Amino acid sequence: AQSVTQLDSQVPVFEEAPVELRCNYSSSVSVYLFWYVQYPNQGLQLLLKYLSGSTLVKGINGFEAEFNKSQTSFHLRKPSVHISDTAEYFCAVIANTGGGNKLTFGTGTQLKVEL
Amino acid sequence: KAGVTQTPRYLIKTRGQQVTLSCSPISGHRSVSWYQQTPGQGLQFLFEYFSETQRNKGNFPGRFSGRQFSNSRSEMNVSTLELGDSALYLCASSLDGQRNTEAFFGQGTRLTVV
Repeated sequence: AQSVTQLDSQVPVFEEAPVELRCNYSSSVSVYLFWYVQYPNQGLQLLLKYLSGSTLVKGINGFEAEFNKSQTSFHLRKPSVHISDTAEYFCAVIANTGGGNKLTFGTGTQLKVEL
Repeated sequence: KAGVTQTPRYLIKTRGQQVTLSCSPISGHRSVSWYQQTPGQGLQFLFEYFSETQRNKGNFPGRFSGRQFSNSRSEMNVSTLELGDSALYLCASSLDGQRNTEAFFGQGTRLTVV
């Protein structure tokens, strides 16, 4: 089984400042890793994913994440945030072996960008 | 290309009733998964269908069921509704149901049980 921990439930940040949203995972098998964003009253939109290869993954809207296998982490970063980045962010994992196609999500981090 | 469509967007039901939610995946997508989102439990996997077969199931009681039709559209049903079933129900579709294939989410159906 897999589990995901997002250590920060809320992260306030000023506009144009950098931000890091933390994600740690636990799994007995290899996993694929994802970050999703959810705007109010909307579904989830994929920001980026790590499947294999380079541990630094670039996504949409200027976000990037780094996979660290030894620390079992997949932190999300953006060098300069915008008001429009205010949303909830979910880290998720999926086992890359075994049956089924099931995402396990973290509890989410609410990013609030202030002027 | 149309996205994942979930209907209805909002629903209010009474305890004890049953409800059916619908999900139309992106054209050509064969895998449909359902998730329940609540403030207390977060996002939890309900089940996944691929080519009309349930391939994976989460830890929900038997009151939660689903099915997929030959055109890949999916429905989920909740019988004997409880207050705790109030949630946002999200549907996700993917092309081939492979783990490395992106899942596209609908806007969800917000179910309120009173």
